[in-house]
Amino acid sequence: EIVLTQSPATLSLYPGERVTLSCRASQSVGTSLAWYQQKPGQPPRLLINDASDRATGISARFSASGFGTDFTLTVSRLEPGDVAVYYCQQRYDWPLTFGQGTRLEIK
Amino acid sequence: EVQLVESGGGLVKPGGSLRLSCAASGFIFSRISMNWVRQAPGKGLEWVSSITNSSGYTSYADSVKGRFTISRDNAKNSLYLQMNSLRAEDTAVYYCATAKGWEWGQGTTVTVSS
Repeated sequence: EIVLTQSPATLSLYPGERVTLSCRASQSVGTSLAWYQQKPGQPPRLLINDASDRATGISARFSASGFGTDFTLTVSRLEPGDVAVYYCQQRYDWPLTFGQGTRLEIK
Repeated sequence: EVQLVESGGGLVKPGGSLRLSCAASGFIFSRISMNWVRQAPGKGLEWVSSITNSSGYTSYADSVKGRFTISRDNAKNSLYLQMNSLRAEDTAVYYCATAKGWEWGQGTTVTVSS
């Protein structure tokens, strides 16, 4: 099973700041990695496919990169509405797995 | 617009069974593989099972293998999850999600408790 480790567990920043979240895979997943945003009481929403492709309707403030085992999600110009837990997911191999999540808070 | 509506959740005793349903609309259901993903209270996301568009291939997490069965009825635009021998650790919100754009339903809550 491919284990995804996200860091940090929690982030707290001010509106307008830029933040980078990390996801590390226990073995290479190529570019078969996705990012999701889950706001309280809501289902996850797909942000990024294939390591760097923004999903339909996702703000350009969200960008991502990476290949193999190391991936990042960057959120520029933080807004209060960005408060959420962010998950990475690998679709390279079965079983599909998710990271444990990074909680993003706004000060 | 893709719509996924889960139903069938509820309170069940350990060892009991439930059948979850997911009604799909807004896309050509018969062309898209589908998934079930669950989230225990206060915890992260856990993939449960997937099924290809024609039901030719299914896959399960080890935690549910042999107890859960995924199926679909393309004529009814519906996805199912038959859950048997339920355990307390199966307590979670269960989401269905497409495997193309990874759109998600709102989820249905399953509670396993005596």
